[in-house]
Amino acid sequence: DIQMTQSPSSLSASVGDTVTITCRASQKISSYLNWYQHKPGKAPKLLISVASTLQTGVPSRFSGGGSGTDFTLTITNLQPEDFATYYCQQTWTFGQGTKVEIK
Amino acid sequence: QVQLQESGPGLVKPSETLSLTCNVSSGSVSSGSYYWSWIRQPAGKGLEFLGYIYYTGSTNYNPSLKSRVTISVDTSKNHFSLNLNSVTAADTAVYFCARLAPPYFFGPSGRTGSLDIWGQGTVVTVSS
Repeated sequence: DIQMTQSPSSLSASVGDTVTITCRASQKISSYLNWYQHKPGKAPKLLISVASTLQTGVPSRFSGGGSGTDFTLTITNLQPEDFATYYCQQTWTFGQGTKVEIK
Repeated sequence: QVQLQESGPGLVKPSETLSLTCNVSSGSVSSGSYYWSWIRQPAGKGLEFLGYIYYTGSTNYNPSLKSRVTISVDTSKNHFSLNLNSVTAADTAVYFCARLAPPYFFGPSGRTGSLDIWGQGTVVTVSS
C-alpha cells in the first residue's frame, strides 16, 4: 500500500502569514492527490484535487503543487476561518493531518 | 447541490453489526459519474476511507477492513448503506458518507478520485 506522510503535524501561525504543508507519498502517484480542510463538528471540505486544481468557491489564497511523490498545500494571507486541520489523500490513504492553530 | 445525510444507531454493542444509511438528496445515487463512499474518524485521530460503491452495486473496500465491511446501494430509495460487523471499541468513530468524483486515476492501490461532497457525519459508539 502507498503510505502518505504529512508534515508538520501541527503549526502555529498568525493572521496574514503564509503557511505550507507537505505530503509525501511512498511511491509515485503522478498528480492524483487531494487536499481537504476539516473543522471540528463539520464535514471535511475538498479544497484541491489532482494536486493543484482549486475547487469552485475555494479562495485563491489556497494553492497546491507537486507531482510524483512530493506535494504541498500553501495558504497565503492566512485568515481566521483558515484555522483547521488539513489532510492530503490518495486512494485509500489520508495523511495524518496538520492542525493549523492561531499563534 | 447534492446533499448527503447519515442516519443510524448511535450506540452499538461489541461483536454486533454497525449499520448506517446515507440518504442522497437533490441528486441521484444512480448518476453514472460518481461513486458513493464511507469514511470514518475515531476521536482524536485522522480520517480512514472504508470503501465505496457504484450504483450498479459494484464495490471496492479498503484492504485493511475488507473482511468486515459491506456497502450496499438502493437506487429506489436513493440511498446507500454501510454494514460493519464484529465491532469493537476501536470502531467508535464519527462516520461520514461522501461522493467520490472524477477525474479518476487507477494506480497501484486502486481508484483515486476526490471526495467532493460530504455528509455532516454521525457519531457511533461501540459499548455494552
